[in-house]
Amino acid sequence: GAVVSQHPSWVICKSGTSVKIECRSLDFQATTMFWYRQFPKQSLMLMATSNEGSKATYEQGVEKDKFLINHASLTLSTLTVTSAHPEDSSFYICSATTGGGFYEQYFGPGTRLTVT
Amino acid sequence: GQQLNQSPQSMFIQEGEDVSMNCTSSSIFNTWLWYKQDPGEGPVLLIALYKAGELTSNGRLTAQFGITRKDSFLNISASIPSDVGIYFCAGREGEKLIFGQGTELSVKP
Repeated sequence: GAVVSQHPSWVICKSGTSVKIECRSLDFQATTMFWYRQFPKQSLMLMATSNEGSKATYEQGVEKDKFLINHASLTLSTLTVTSAHPEDSSFYICSATTGGGFYEQYFGPGTRLTVT
Repeated sequence: GQQLNQSPQSMFIQEGEDVSMNCTSSSIFNTWLWYKQDPGEGPVLLIALYKAGELTSNGRLTAQFGITRKDSFLNISASIPSDVGIYFCAGREGEKLIFGQGTELSVKP
């Protein structure tokens, strides 16, 4: 159980365009979803936390107008990278928590974004 | 904010050897999680720890939650080639996780 999927697994886009990444919890309702960014050989960097039906909370230094997060339901969150630039190229990973008494955070397989 | 120091950064071992890695923090955590990440994939949860002093196993993996709540270690016994990957510790801070820098494990057959 506790499976999180992401779509697409990789995407190439041109500079200036927008890209949407979907994150779904397949077999549980996720009270909270998270979006991370990871550069090669580095740890995961939290970008934002989102709860269903409310605005996302962004980490310091993350531009909320550039990285739009929508958490429309308990099983779906989306990250839209707007006006993408080559420096936005990275590995984006979402995760979700199941809630309840024991805290566990499950990760999706990640999305490789390349901006040309 | 809190920071985690994970060590070692990398390990090169022979198949069959045991492995140990650890994380220390400047502040206490109430939950420690250990993840493994393969190249191009998301992290996979290995072990979750909820109580100080707790020792939990998952197959050949054993992890402990330090008594001071400021550290945790992960041991892998009798390593095999598929253990290769990057291992991350993470401490829970409210709703969020704080991650260590990762330990890259290489196993020579």
